[in-house]
Amino acid sequence: ETGVTQTPRHLVMGMTNKKSLKCEQHLGHNAMYWYKQSAKKPLELMFVYSLEERVENNSVPSRFSPECPNSSHLFLHLHTLQPEDSALYLCASSQDRVSGPDTQYFGPGTRLTVL
Amino acid sequence: KQEVTQIPAALSVPEGENLVLNCSFTDSAIYNLQWFRQDPGKGLTSLLLIQSSQREQTSGRLNASLDKSSGRSTLYIAASQPGDSATYLCAVRGGSNYKLTFGKGTLLTVNP
Repeated sequence: ETGVTQTPRHLVMGMTNKKSLKCEQHLGHNAMYWYKQSAKKPLELMFVYSLEERVENNSVPSRFSPECPNSSHLFLHLHTLQPEDSALYLCASSQDRVSGPDTQYFGPGTRLTVL
Repeated sequence: KQEVTQIPAALSVPEGENLVLNCSFTDSAIYNLQWFRQDPGKGLTSLLLIQSSQREQTSGRLNASLDKSSGRSTLYIAASQPGDSATYLCAVRGGSNYKLTFGKGTLLTVNP
């Protein structure tokens, strides 16, 4: 596998379910990001991890819980979601959070539907 | 708070046309600006990145310009092809932090 991978690609869940999204980067990067892309809205940054430490929580509701066990893996744990949480969730990584050209490489996303 | 606007929201052109996509941002204190491409149901692919000290970047048929003082960038696509059909996103990185602020994108359709 190369680049940034995300699983599952599609997820349908009820409001009472608990599920997790997984992201893995094969680029040797130190920073990883979760974004939310809703219909007709710009991409919204949710969380940022740098060297496995969470450095940004962009006013995201607590029903979204990120986890970064190592620099290659990032999870987004979901529980008691609302229908308005339905969106494309994108993971990205970059070499470093603050320095350099900082091109972010994106995964294909997980299309989440909350019923 | 930085805001990024992209015009037009959608554009449909015949194959072979040259076209321009526009991006404007409210805070000119940026570190860099990126143009991304997003195919339906897929992630983003970085096309061009312009540092704040640069005026333009070129890659193949793509040319991106940056006028930081006026808060504007354009993406020029020469000799468009049906394979160019996608959503094009503009994103700016703030001068004092690492965050990317995205526009809503321009949906481009190139008709054969």
